[in-house]
Amino acid sequence: QSVLTQPPSVSGAPGQRVTISCTGSSSNIGAGSDVHWYQQLPGTAPKLLIYAFNNRPSGVPDRFSGSKSDTSASLAITGLQPEDEADYYCQSYDNSLRVFGGGTKLTVL
Amino acid sequence: EVLLVESGGGLVKPGGSLRLSCAASGLTFSNAWMSWVRQAPGKGLEWVGRIKSKSAGETTDYAAPVKGRFTILRDDSKATMYLQMNSLKTEDTAVYYCTTEVLVPDWGQGTLVTVSS
Repeated sequence: QSVLTQPPSVSGAPGQRVTISCTGSSSNIGAGSDVHWYQQLPGTAPKLLIYAFNNRPSGVPDRFSGSKSDTSASLAITGLQPEDEADYYCQSYDNSLRVFGGGTKLTVL
Repeated sequence: EVLLVESGGGLVKPGGSLRLSCAASGLTFSNAWMSWVRQAPGKGLEWVGRIKSKSAGETTDYAAPVKGRFTILRDDSKATMYLQMNSLKTEDTAVYYCTTEVLVPDWGQGTLVTVSS
């Protein structure tokens, strides 16, 4: 049982927009703790996609964006591409310790 | 560019011990708070534990499943963090990643630990 709750799967057609939710509580996201998003392709290490809610590391396309509302955060992907098919994880902090969502598998139809 | 390289993974029997290493470069390691995160086969990411910098007391915190069995250490002179794993269980089988605890976290490529008889 993960501290942060994500939908197990989402899907979309190429070119579409999809969102992935990450629901926490008043002790993590609701307390103002940063939220990071990671993309993980099969057999590879997680790659940082979004840090501190809505900031992109260098090299990450602006098709990826993050947002926050109360005790939840969301990752939006616009202009979906086949190479976006991967697992996505949200991560925050609870009492200063890292907590992860259970992960969401994105399928590009 | 920050580079984190894990090593020391392998096959170990239940009840056995293993020590993982994480060699860091491209950062002021002595100032860095560091963590271990693991991922069991086909499962999600799980935080294992953290060690603060020496200036912050070099204190450690652990996830409940590993507390009392795993110990995180650091050697700032070698820019290396360690994960000493004792009393290993089959459920500890996972890829273990070394990460930095900064605003923009860096991750290593991971090392596989398999606990099996």
